[in-house]
Amino acid sequence: AQKITQTQPGMFVQEKEAVTLDCTYDTSDQSYGLFWYKQPSSGEMIFLIYQGSYDEQNATEGRYSLNFQKARKSANLVISASQLGDSAMYFCAMREAYNAGNMLTFGGGTRLMVKP
Amino acid sequence: ETGVTQSPTHLIKTRGQQVTLRCSSQSGHNTVSWYQQALGQGPQFIFQYYREEENGRGNFPPRFSGLQFPNYSSELNVNALELDDSALYLCASSAIGGVETEAFFGQGTRLTVV
Repeated sequence: AQKITQTQPGMFVQEKEAVTLDCTYDTSDQSYGLFWYKQPSSGEMIFLIYQGSYDEQNATEGRYSLNFQKARKSANLVISASQLGDSAMYFCAMREAYNAGNMLTFGGGTRLMVKP
Repeated sequence: ETGVTQSPTHLIKTRGQQVTLRCSSQSGHNTVSWYQQALGQGPQFIFQYYREEENGRGNFPPRFSGLQFPNYSSELNVNALELDDSALYLCASSAIGGVETEAFFGQGTRLTVV
C-alpha cells in the first residue's frame, strides 16, 4: 500500500483565493511526523510546514496551515491568499520513528497553478 | 537558501558508465540523505549516512553507493548506468534526531543517461 497518497495531480486556483491540497498517509507507527515541501521548477525542495503525530493543534506557518485529522490519517495543506509565486509542485512527506535514520517517504505530488 | 550545495547541476552520461555526484552539507549537520526523483514522481529514498557510516537504505541495488567525509560532505556513486537512472538526484542534510527533524535539500543534480 502507498504510504503517502496525493490524489490531485494538478490544481488550479485563482490568485488571492485559498486552496487545499490533499494528503493521506498510512502507518502503524504511533510516532511520526508529516511534512509539506514546495518544489519550484528549479528543483530544490523548500520546507513549508510540519505536524507531529502527538501535536493536538493544527500547525500554521504564515499563509500555510495544516488540517490534521489523525483518525482519518489525513494531513491536508491549506494555502491562504494564493500568490503567483505559489505555482509549483507540492509534496507531502512522512517520517516514521522506526524507519531507517531520518528517511522521508514522499507522495507523488500535486502541481499547483495560480491564475492571475 | 538552505546552505546545501550539489554539483554538478546537470550531467549527461552514456549507459554503462559510472557517475559521481557531490553534496556539501549545511554547517553543523552530521547526517546526509540521498533521494532519486524520476520525472513526474516524488523523491525516493536511496540511503543515508551518519558519521561516515551508512545507517539506512531504500530499495536500490548495490550499484548505488555512497561516501560521507569527515567534514560531512557526501558523494553518491552509481555504476553501470541504466536509462532508468535518469532523474533528479537530491541531497538533504540534517542533524540526527527524531521524527520532527527538518531536512534541508540542495537544488539537485539532473542526470540524463543516453
